Amino acid sequence: DGGITQSPKYLFRKEGQNVTLSCEQNLNHDAMYWYRQDPGQGLRLIYYSQIVNDFQKGDIAEGYSVSREKKESFPLTVTSAQKNPTAFYLCASSRVLREEELYEQYFGPGTRLTVT
Amino acid sequence: SQQGEEDPQALSIQEGENATMNCSYKTSINNLQWYRQNSGRGLVHLILIRSNEREKHSGRLRVTLDTSKKSSSLLITASRAADTASYFCATAPATYNQGGKLIFGQGTELSVKP
Repeated sequence: DGGITQSPKYLFRKEGQNVTLSCEQNLNHDAMYWYRQDPGQGLRLIYYSQIVNDFQKGDIAEGYSVSREKKESFPLTVTSAQKNPTAFYLCASSRVLREEELYEQYFGPGTRLTVT
Repeated sequence: SQQGEEDPQALSIQEGENATMNCSYKTSINNLQWYRQNSGRGLVHLILIRSNEREKHSGRLRVTLDTSKKSSSLLITASRAADTASYFCATAPATYNQGGKLIFGQGTELSVKP
């Protein structure tokens, strides 16, 4: 089955600790994205990557970091600098942007992070 | 920044009725997409409409796009209890080099009662 996996589904951390959320895809997509969703709200873009070893900040990158060492993997680290880290985190991927075409995004099941 | 605004925020209907959700946006777009999210799950892509299209159908879904008014609507006909979910519009900015970014609206929470 092709798709995107995120692990774990639920994650609990103490304040002041860094935590890394996993995102893996076997869709052979070039582009990958991280979003944050707060209760009753839409998605906000944290980071995105169009190609291996390259990524760009989204709208709310402060307190987060990413890496893209492999095409299939795009892990997100929530650092202690993130003031309100408790949220639902969604990873997505899409085929490479070609000229002005933009392909649909495929989402993983999400990781719910709770920091106390 | 969020440029999509959806209306209504919540909608409750009976099974068999039609559900209409609206989305407004602020800047020029390349395309507009609608996604569905079941509670606590990831989003699922429903339909994409390009900026030069006015209407598109997919099964029980009908999407319209009015670029002059910067608005779109999603119609679900003959709704079922299984359609209960949150529905989000997402716009792809017309400016190239946006890296595939989508801007999501706040969502409409649809409840279909059996």
